[in-house]
Amino acid sequence: DTAVSQTPKYLVTQMGNDKSIKCEQNLGHDTMYWYKQDSKKFLKIMFSYNNKELIINETVPNRFSPKSPDKAHLNLHINSLELGDSAVYFCASSQVDRPKNIQYFGAGTRLSVL
Amino acid sequence: AQKITQTQPGMFVQEKEAVTLDCTYDTSDPSYGLFWYKQPSSGEMIFLIYQGSYDQQNATEGRYSLNFQKARKSANLVISASQLGDSAMYFCAMREVTAGGSYIPTFGRGTSLIVHP
Repeated sequence: DTAVSQTPKYLVTQMGNDKSIKCEQNLGHDTMYWYKQDSKKFLKIMFSYNNKELIINETVPNRFSPKSPDKAHLNLHINSLELGDSAVYFCASSQVDRPKNIQYFGAGTRLSVL
Repeated sequence: AQKITQTQPGMFVQEKEAVTLDCTYDTSDPSYGLFWYKQPSSGEMIFLIYQGSYDQQNATEGRYSLNFQKARKSANLVISASQLGDSAMYFCAMREVTAGGSYIPTFGRGTSLIVHP
């Protein structure tokens, strides 16, 4: 059983399109995250939701909109895709009231914008 | 200023040797956590080891140990008896608490480790 699952694993699309990436965790965690990893492997947090509430919203174009229907799901919708959006997007989850607050990551979604 | 600094973009080690991957951090939060993650070529992020700022002893997990020097703000990862499967990118990360009480994670830029047979 996959703890944090993302779909799709690969996403190839044209500039200007709108796409969504889905994330689900079955760990019972209360916090979920979206990260972007660029071509140089730099991993930067984009958003974090705690119990369906947005708690971290880093400087990200407003074309990116996270949606959390419940605390087990955090989806990422991207409007008007641009070439610079090509990257690997990781979803992660953690339980913040545990001492270690370890984040567990999904396998990543490789987005290629043509 | 970078909060997490990994000064070694690439490291090489002979199989069965030990290797140390460097990580220094910067924070004014007295309660923070430090993590190491491994990212093999397949792309997934694998949690390796955790050190809390108040932990008295250095963390160990199997062949991984964390050399935590609080005064120097360093949290180096030591991998003993390297194996070919240890070849991967390694990321140091820190968790701080914001004024609002939420946790902000920050990752370093990573070190690429190659283990030679």
